[in-house]
Amino acid sequence: DAKTTQPPSMDCAEGRAANLPCNHSTISGNEYVYWYRQIHSQGPQYIIHGLKNNETNEMASLIITEDRKSSTLILPHATLRDTAVYYCIVPPNTGNQFYFGTGTSLTVIP
Amino acid sequence: GAVVSQHPSWVICKSGTSVKIECRSLDFQATTMFWYRQFPKQSLMLMATSNEGSKATYEQGVEKDKFLINHASLTLSTLTVTSAHPEDSSFYICSAIREGGAAFFGQGTRLTVV
Repeated sequence: DAKTTQPPSMDCAEGRAANLPCNHSTISGNEYVYWYRQIHSQGPQYIIHGLKNNETNEMASLIITEDRKSSTLILPHATLRDTAVYYCIVPPNTGNQFYFGTGTSLTVIP
Repeated sequence: GAVVSQHPSWVICKSGTSVKIECRSLDFQATTMFWYRQFPKQSLMLMATSNEGSKATYEQGVEKDKFLINHASLTLSTLTVTSAHPEDSSFYICSAIREGGAAFFGQGTRLTVV
């Protein structure tokens, strides 16, 4: 499975865009990138996923570089409720196991 | 959207007893479910893959006789922690893959063994 690397922590001012990076340099051509977040003492929440095209939904945007070795999750207008640990995951095509790394702890500051 | 539900949300049990945790996919069928464990201030650790109608596949280092998994239907998987001890106290989370590839997670079960 492709290993992902994320910064351990980030701060973002409330109302500003939060840009969370993820490196996945060993990703295979047909493996997807998934983003989840976990608020304290809850199960992870699905945010968005993509293969090679940029994706947008009601929660966030996902920007994937052309070589697919990295991606950025964008929360366009961060709120205090977006404070959470964000995980970037690249599951293998066989088995679909979602292995979690250490993620990025995002703190949105008033 | 897809919903995965766990029961109970929290449980306290005495050392040496067994505890069963249920995981249900509420609006889709899941031939495969996953069980995770999370200790305080740590990330989720995959314990096992639960396959409907067949034996579960355990990750390296996870005792299959300690953590019994049953996936008897397309919407229900259960995890039984047998002969629980205080070191088994943790946050247990299940997930299921919905058509389209995304995994959806339950709300988690906080197990405390006293």
